[in-house]
Amino acid sequence: GAGVSQSPSNKVTEKGKDVELRCDPISGHTALYWYRQSLGQGLEFLIYFQGNSAPDKSGLPSDRFSAERTGGSVSTLTIQRTQQEDSAVYLCASSLVSGKTGELFFGEGSRLTVL
Amino acid sequence: GDSVTQMEGPVTLSEEAFLTINCTYTATGYPSLFWYVQYPGEGLQLLLKATKADDKGSNKGFEATYRKETTSFHLEKGSVQVSDSAVYFCALSDSGGGADGLTFGKGTHLIIQP
Repeated sequence: GAGVSQSPSNKVTEKGKDVELRCDPISGHTALYWYRQSLGQGLEFLIYFQGNSAPDKSGLPSDRFSAERTGGSVSTLTIQRTQQEDSAVYLCASSLVSGKTGELFFGEGSRLTVL
Repeated sequence: GDSVTQMEGPVTLSEEAFLTINCTYTATGYPSLFWYVQYPGEGLQLLLKATKADDKGSNKGFEATYRKETTSFHLEKGSVQVSDSAVYFCALSDSGGGADGLTFGKGTHLIIQP
């Protein structure tokens, strides 16, 4: 596609359920990032994938959060046993090269609401 | 660790007013600096960037100058329009290692009234 695609755009779930959020990056982009955007908290880095290297998971807030990237393309962020504090917009971004000087292209996000 | 501090809004201005959104940073290396904009209902998009000290980034009438001496990257526009209403994020990317992504400020919500 022309841009970064995320699904679902909105997800409402009950506390304790597992959720999966999908990101389809721009074709050819080797770097993929997940961020969490909470009201009044800005963007919080979660995890970074670069090519075939081991992902940088330093931003994941707990072991309930995990992510994988299959075939160097599509990524799935999984949140197990969701809690109300997990409610946020989850943003995916991709870039052609390292984010240090390259531009990140963001999807529109997946809004998660945990009841 | 790296951090970005920007003025929190909402900032409300009249059309054609002068805009300044302050941004200061803390970084261990020699960061690149960015302003991203998020229009209502859309994803973040890069507005402008500067990769070294004294560089000026500019786009769509917006400007920001990388000031190493004051560790600042303030966003300015001489005459704002209603269509500039959005959330603006200052961000840095540090060459000193760590996560290879961007560190963002909390965002400034800008509202331009006609």
